[in-house]
Amino acid sequence: AQSVTQPDIHITVSEGASLELRCNYSYGATPYLFWYVQSPGQGLQLLLKYFSGDTLVQGIKGFEAEFKRSQSSFNLRKPSVHWSDAAEYFCAVGGNQGGKLIFGQGTELSVKP
Amino acid sequence: GAVVSQHPSRVICKSGTSVKIECRSLDFQATTMFWYRQFPKQSLMLMATSNEGSKATYEQGVEKDKFLINHASLTLSTLTVTSAHPEDSSFYICSARLSRDSYSPQYFGPGTRLTVT
Repeated sequence: AQSVTQPDIHITVSEGASLELRCNYSYGATPYLFWYVQSPGQGLQLLLKYFSGDTLVQGIKGFEAEFKRSQSSFNLRKPSVHWSDAAEYFCAVGGNQGGKLIFGQGTELSVKP
Repeated sequence: GAVVSQHPSRVICKSGTSVKIECRSLDFQATTMFWYRQFPKQSLMLMATSNEGSKATYEQGVEKDKFLINHASLTLSTLTVTSAHPEDSSFYICSARLSRDSYSPQYFGPGTRLTVT
């Protein structure tokens, strides 16, 4: 079955600390992987995407993610978190199925001063 | 670039009435648009895929007669919730893709909060 798992429902980090949000996927074909961020009451903004090539991808707002096929993971990282990064983060996987995305449950990030 | 808008942002309607939500791609043509539903503190659930000029494809369990989708142009898709009931209250989000390529990312609208009283 195709699925995306974000093991951490809620994470709290201190401002300036590093961040890693976990994402594991199960997908029968070559996956296309995405990270989106959602502020309260808002739509989703694309942070970064992976299709092929270099397994370390850079995104907006200083985020990066690493694709590890052997671990079926696509974890999101940021070296220094800012208070404005507090939001809900969604990992998603898609492929050759008309572009449909399967979303993880989301990880809520809180940033403490 | 790749901006998607939704209108209205919030709507309150009475039970039994119908509500139309618009999704527009402002600076690109979208061959495919998607409609999602999101409950509080939960992930997005795909309701249907809308291709310009053809009938929408609904996900299993989504009533196509209740959630009418029209994709009349390359920049506009509409979702009409017919005979709305309180259980239809939710956050509805649309997205649009620039091309039919499967790896083309989806760009999301800001969402519409529907409350049925």
